[in-house]
Amino acid sequence: DVKVTQSSRYLVKRTGEKVFLECVQDMDHENMFWYRQDPGLGLRLIYFSYDVKMKEKGDIPEGYSVSREKKERFSLILESASTNQTSMYLCASISFTSNQPQHFGDGTRLSIL
Amino acid sequence: QKEVEQNSGPLSVPEGAIASLNCTYSDRVSQSFFWYRQYSGKSPELIMSIYSNGDKEDGRFTAQLNKASQYVSLLIRDSQPSDSATYLCAVNLGGGGNKLTFGTGTQLKVEL
Repeated sequence: DVKVTQSSRYLVKRTGEKVFLECVQDMDHENMFWYRQDPGLGLRLIYFSYDVKMKEKGDIPEGYSVSREKKERFSLILESASTNQTSMYLCASISFTSNQPQHFGDGTRLSIL
Repeated sequence: QKEVEQNSGPLSVPEGAIASLNCTYSDRVSQSFFWYRQYSGKSPELIMSIYSNGDKEDGRFTAQLNKASQYVSLLIRDSQPSDSATYLCAVNLGGGGNKLTFGTGTQLKVEL
């Protein structure tokens, strides 16, 4: 079974802080993704990575950056947290092989005060 | 126009009935289609995948794909209260990175 592990289930930070969300997968997947999910807006792609040190912007990259130094780990960084970044953050991974499903971590509910 | 569209619901069905969830997508070249179930406060979990036209059955779940009409549906037979959740349709629209594009989800409520 694919295991995608996010470092925190719940996180509370203050405005202006630098926030790190970590994600690790154990299936040697090439591609990894960060989404945020808000009521009524569905899943929105922030960034994705298809290889170590490679990254691509998703639909809403503003205010975020990512790091992928090792294949199994994909980090999302909020450079200066703001209240509008309060959300559920979901990490996912997928094999490079076509037609595979994405596997999600348990999610991190982040609150910015 | 959204690339993957679902009716947000809520869709209410009585226990034991068939629930029918629909999804349309914009890209004719899409090759892979998935249904995820998401309970409140939890992450999405994969319940069905379908790649070719027709029906695919797995227990109480049946996925139906019609590429010519660009829709995919999910039928849940003998609906149970535990099926109450939001169901997300996901489509690989191509474009590299093996990305999936998700609909906003349909909320299903199975009533006793």
